[in-house]
Amino acid sequence: GENVEQHPSTLSVQEGDSAVIKCTYSDSASNYFPWYKQELGKRPQLIIDIRSNVGEKKDQRIAVTLNKTAKHFSLHITETQPEDSAVYFCAASRGAGQNFVFGPGTRLSVLP
Amino acid sequence: GAVVSQHPSWVICKSGTSVKIECRSLDFQATTMFWYRQFPKQSLMLMATSNEGSKATYEQGVEKDKFLINHASLTLSTLTVTSAHPEDSSFYICSARDSRSTDTQYFGPGTRLTVL
Repeated sequence: GENVEQHPSTLSVQEGDSAVIKCTYSDSASNYFPWYKQELGKRPQLIIDIRSNVGEKKDQRIAVTLNKTAKHFSLHITETQPEDSAVYFCAASRGAGQNFVFGPGTRLSVLP
Repeated sequence: GAVVSQHPSWVICKSGTSVKIECRSLDFQATTMFWYRQFPKQSLMLMATSNEGSKATYEQGVEKDKFLINHASLTLSTLTVTSAHPEDSSFYICSARDSRSTDTQYFGPGTRLTVL
């Protein structure tokens, strides 16, 4: 089955700096890769997703890149703000309603 | 749009009792709902996939007789933890897939279960 790894497990950056979180997956049939942000005690919120037919997607300060050949994808947050502090989870899915396999998460702390 | 609710948000019960958790999609129809369990500072672990009108598909290691799932309508799935024990204490989160979208899942706010 699918296995998703995520690095780093914790990340601290200064406000205004960029943050990058990387994930790798094992199932070459996976074709949908969402990223979720979870604040303490709250539900995961979808922040961006990418499908395997594109290599990059951007939404304001957030971008995701995908390398299908190497089976890895990354989340990029620019101009970080304290409210970006949370746990971020990547996931991989075969799409078409299939379940997600989540990475172990990255705890991001943005220091003021 | 795409709001998923869960009830109750937290529950404390005695060992041996059963607890029912409801997951509702409020403004869309969800052919498929997913139930996850999350321990403190850990990732989301899929427990089962719930399809409307059919039996749930459980992940390996999840006891189907202990975690009863019913998905009787396109907007409601329930998870019943039967004969709960302290080791069942956890954060249970559901997600729902919008029938109009093949991929995106929207999460409920979660239910924190504490078994004494």
